[in-house]
Amino acid sequence: GQQVMQIPQYQHVQEGEDFTTYCNSSTTLSNIQWYKQRPGGHPVFLIQLVKSGEVKKQKRLTFQFGEAKKNSSLHITATQTTDVGTYFCAGHQAGTALIFGKGTTLSVSS
Amino acid sequence: GAGVSQTPSNKVTEKGKYVELRCDPISGHTALYWYRQSLGQGPEFLIYFQGTGAADDSGLPNDRFFAVRPEGSVSTLKIQRTERGDSAVYLCASRETSNAGDGYTFGSGTRLTVV
Repeated sequence: GQQVMQIPQYQHVQEGEDFTTYCNSSTTLSNIQWYKQRPGGHPVFLIQLVKSGEVKKQKRLTFQFGEAKKNSSLHITATQTTDVGTYFCAGHQAGTALIFGKGTTLSVSS
Repeated sequence: GAGVSQTPSNKVTEKGKYVELRCDPISGHTALYWYRQSLGQGPEFLIYFQGTGAADDSGLPNDRFFAVRPEGSVSTLKIQRTERGDSAVYLCASRETSNAGDGYTFGSGTRLTVV
């Protein structure tokens, strides 16, 4: 079945450093979504990418969808302590439910 | 309501008991999803409803798990003969339709502990 893998599992950075998490699917996806989960919280939707090669930005966050629609990345520029949490990618194949990766947990020290 | 509401927020039950977990989605959202999340893992898909019907229940781990949504709004996840391995946070999410381009709106979850 469809699998979504994320690396790294954990990342610690100093405040102001950049951060990137990578997501890979075993199958071609119809779209990919990214979520953020704060410690003790629930996943909160960040963005959806649909088109091959698509790039979207939200302030310091840049999301990319690969040309083959099997991989994606999230890049945070100049991390802040408010960026702490676990970032999940989640993919849809056509007609299937959203399948989540295991997430990348980001910690930031000031 | 303004968000997805799940009750109870915490549930401790003894092994072998029956539990019901409730989800009240955003008003007007026809698609409703149940996931469960174990510590250090991503949400694991269980079942999704489009309206009153279960459109995909392929994620239910076994026949001890069952979910209903009789009027197309509130949903109840039912677990029979609970086992310690069922301990997890059970998350409910909704969105306007299953084809919507928006993401899922999750509730705060029910933390189930089976002792």
